[in-house]
Amino acid sequence: SAVISQKPSRDICQRGTSLTIQCQVDSQVTMMFWYRQQPGQSLTLIATANQGSEATYESGFVIDKFPISRPNLTFSTLTVSNMSPEDSSIYLCSVAEGHVYEQYFGPGTRLTVT
Amino acid sequence: KQEVTQIPAALSVPEGENLVLNCSFTDSAIYNLQWFRQDPGKGLTSLLLIQSSQREQTSGRLNASLDKSSGRSTLYIAASQPGDSATYLCAVRHRGSQGNLIFGKGTKLSVKP
Repeated sequence: SAVISQKPSRDICQRGTSLTIQCQVDSQVTMMFWYRQQPGQSLTLIATANQGSEATYESGFVIDKFPISRPNLTFSTLTVSNMSPEDSSIYLCSVAEGHVYEQYFGPGTRLTVT
Repeated sequence: KQEVTQIPAALSVPEGENLVLNCSFTDSAIYNLQWFRQDPGKGLTSLLLIQSSQREQTSGRLNASLDKSSGRSTLYIAASQPGDSATYLCAVRHRGSQGNLIFGKGTKLSVKP
């Protein structure tokens, strides 16, 4: 199974600033995803980031707020822009492998916006 | 729109007990279903994946079943241990949308020594 690392593991940011979260995978994967987990809630998909194409955003998420890069098959970044306290969440990177699309998750980035 | 529900939301059991966690989904046109474990403040660990054509999968003390027609899955944990304490999440992948997992809200399990 893929091993996924994320940086930073946690951060405290001020309102109005931006934070870029990095996701590194130990193998080449086509399908990569970014999820958000708000306090006490389950996971919600932000976008799908497949290498070689533009990221596809889910309803309620827009590129200006959550720009994503996917420069190669092992790396992606998610930026949370112009942050507000409502953006305080855990952000998780995920990949899907194999013909059954078994999905694996990184350890998450815990973001607090003050 | 696919919705995933997990019951109960929380469960506390004494060590050694066998237990069942429940997951239901509204649209039976799924590609597969995956059970995860999440420890506090951490990411998700994949436990079991069941393809839509399968009825169950086993890994150690864990057994997951799938009844696609009724929209139900169960996760059976045998001989529970304090180290099993975590939140257990069920997620389904819709057929034709292989990339998107729809998650339930989870069952928070506490196993008391």
